[in-house]
Amino acid sequence: QKEVEQDPGPLSVPEGAIVSLNCTYSNSAFQYFMWYRQYSRKGPELLMYTYSSGNKEDGRFTAQVDKSSKYISLFIRDSQPSDSATYLCAMSVGNTGNQFYFGTGTSLTVIP
Amino acid sequence: DSGVTQTPKHLITATGQRVTLRCSPRSGDLSVYWYQQSLDQGLQFLIQYYNGEERAKGNILERFSAQQFPDLHSELNLSSLELGDSALYFCASSVEGREGYTFGSGTRLTVV
Repeated sequence: QKEVEQDPGPLSVPEGAIVSLNCTYSNSAFQYFMWYRQYSRKGPELLMYTYSSGNKEDGRFTAQVDKSSKYISLFIRDSQPSDSATYLCAMSVGNTGNQFYFGTGTSLTVIP
Repeated sequence: DSGVTQTPKHLITATGQRVTLRCSPRSGDLSVYWYQQSLDQGLQFLIQYYNGEERAKGNILERFSAQQFPDLHSELNLSSLELGDSALYFCASSVEGREGYTFGSGTRLTVV
């Protein structure tokens, strides 16, 4: 079993839709949870960073962590064509200086 | 520009050959991480260096090696290359107290 599982998609939605992206994990020691966005042929860029359980909001993006269910989500409101990318979840036991475990990524296309 | 510089951007080489990938971390970042990204495996952690010393090792093959130099740049050496080594190789850097990693734009290696 992989440490982190993520549905690869692809996911295709119309512009303005709410997008829900999800990951599950098996290691209960994970405490730091991240979402990265990766455009084609580019390096991943950090979108959201959360510690432990709860919600975090940043503009159109909301990250949720449910440690009891070992489940994390990223919601994108009012999706835009520029949101079309691959979204990777990542998690780690410690804050910095620790290995991040990545999901395989979900490919999202927002259709104008 | 993320501040993490990787060279070269593209590399095409033959099976059995050896190549060196280079990474310059963001200014002030002491940790350097190497990841391999292939279509079916996602981002796989290879190795981490902190201030010149190896800190963590992931799924790195014995044919691969890395080092971090006193000026903090890092090199990933891949030898006896096989077709299956074709992938994107990313370097990321971080500093204690900052959330998450910053990735470079990657080196695309094609082994023919």
